[in-house]
Amino acid sequence: DIVMTQTPLSSPVTLGQPASISCRSSQSLVHSDGNTYLSWLQQRPGQPPRLLIYKISNRFSGVPDRFSGSGAGTDFTLKISRVEAEDVGVYYCMQATQFPWTFGQGTKVEIK
Amino acid sequence: QVQLVQSGAEVKKPGSSVKVSCKASGGTFSSYAISWVRQAPGQGLEWMGRIIPILGIANYAQKFQGRVTITADKSTSTAYMELSSLRSEDTAVYYCARVQLLNAFDIWGQGTMVTVSS
Repeated sequence: DIVMTQTPLSSPVTLGQPASISCRSSQSLVHSDGNTYLSWLQQRPGQPPRLLIYKISNRFSGVPDRFSGSGAGTDFTLKISRVEAEDVGVYYCMQATQFPWTFGQGTKVEIK
Repeated sequence: QVQLVQSGAEVKKPGSSVKVSCKASGGTFSSYAISWVRQAPGQGLEWMGRIIPILGIANYAQKFQGRVTITADKSTSTAYMELSSLRSEDTAVYYCARVQLLNAFDIWGQGTMVTVSS
């Protein structure tokens, strides 16, 4: 199985300041079709997860442009340019390149 | 706009089975896949499997192989996840999610709490 490792596991951030989450996979996420199926999800307290980013860097419909994704191969990053109060929650990276699809452990973003 | 509406909370005895439904409201499954993900209390997300309803093909995580069955009824745009031989560690919220063409989970159900307790 591909292991997804996120750092940090907790990220206290000041409102208006940037935040960055790293996600590393135990093997390359490049699929045989040439795509890299790495996505980022946000889970606010008491809510189902919500898709933010798909295929490394594509923002999903309705996602604010302060969220951005980057990376390649085995190393990926989610950045929030200026954290807002509504961004509090747990963020997960997820790979859907190889079965079984797997998630990172989650990174909790909270306001200092 | 399509929404995924799941069945209600369940309380089950150890050793029994549970079947959770996930209905596409306001649309159909079309050619998308449906995945099932669970989340134990205070824990992260765990992928269980997925089905492509139009083909009837399912893939499962090895961890659940033999205990989980994912099916779909195209006529009602409803997917099902049945988990058998339940144990206390299966207590979790179970989510269905639509898998868009680039393998991302773009629509999620509201979740179904399954509690396994004697």
